[in-house]
Amino acid sequence: TQLLEQSPQFLSIQEGENLTVYCNSSSVFSSLQWYRQEPGEGPVLLVTVVTGGEVKKLKRLTFQFGDARKDSSLHITAAQPGDTGLYLCAGVRSGNTPLVFGKGTRLSVIA
Amino acid sequence: NAGVTQTPKFRVLKTGQSMTLLCAQDMNHEYMYWYRQDPGMGLRLIHYSVGEGTTAKGEVPDGYNVSRLKKQNFLLGLESAAPSQTSVYFCASSRRKESNYGYTFGSGTRLTVV
Repeated sequence: TQLLEQSPQFLSIQEGENLTVYCNSSSVFSSLQWYRQEPGEGPVLLVTVVTGGEVKKLKRLTFQFGDARKDSSLHITAAQPGDTGLYLCAGVRSGNTPLVFGKGTRLSVIA
Repeated sequence: NAGVTQTPKFRVLKTGQSMTLLCAQDMNHEYMYWYRQDPGMGLRLIHYSVGEGTTAKGEVPDGYNVSRLKKQNFLLGLESAAPSQTSVYFCASSRRKESNYGYTFGSGTRLTVV
C-alpha cells in the first residue's frame, strides 16, 4: 500500500504551459516536502510545508498543503525546459518516523 | 562543501558476492538513511540511524545490514547479493528525524547484480 499517491505519473508539456501535480494520502502528515530529482542525481529539497492550508511560493512554483494535512499540490507557471525532472513528494507521519516518499511525477517540458 | 558522498558510483556484482556501500556526510547531521530507488516503486527506506552506534530497520531491510560506527559515516552491506537487489541506492542525512530542514541526498550508487 502506497501511503502517498502522486498524480499524474508522467506529464509532457510545451514550454510556457502551466501544470499542477498532486500528492494525496488517506493519512495525516505532520509535514510534507517536495523534492526534484534530475537523472543521475539524488533528490534535492524544494520546499517543506507544515501547516494545514499553507501556501509557499518559490519563483514560478507554488506549493500548497491541504487543510486536513493529507494532501499537497505543486503548481508550475510558465514551465521551462529547466523544470524537467522527477518531482517527489515526501511526508513525515509523526515525530518519530523517517520520510515516506511517493512514486513521483516525471515532468518533461519541451522547448 | 561536499555534503553527502557515496562510493562507489557504479558496481556490478555476481549473485552471491558481497559488498559494502559507503556514505559519508560532512554536515554534522545526526540522522542518516539508506533508500533504494526502483522504476515504478519510488524511494523505499532500507535502514536508518538516529545517531552514532544506533541503527533501525526501514520498509525493506531484508538482505541488507548497516553500521554507524562514526557519526559521519553510514555503511550499507550486502552479504550475499541477489538479482532482486539490482537498484539505485541513495544515502541521505538530516539534522533531525522529523526535520523541517529536509534530507540531503548523495548522488547514488547504481548496483547491478547478475
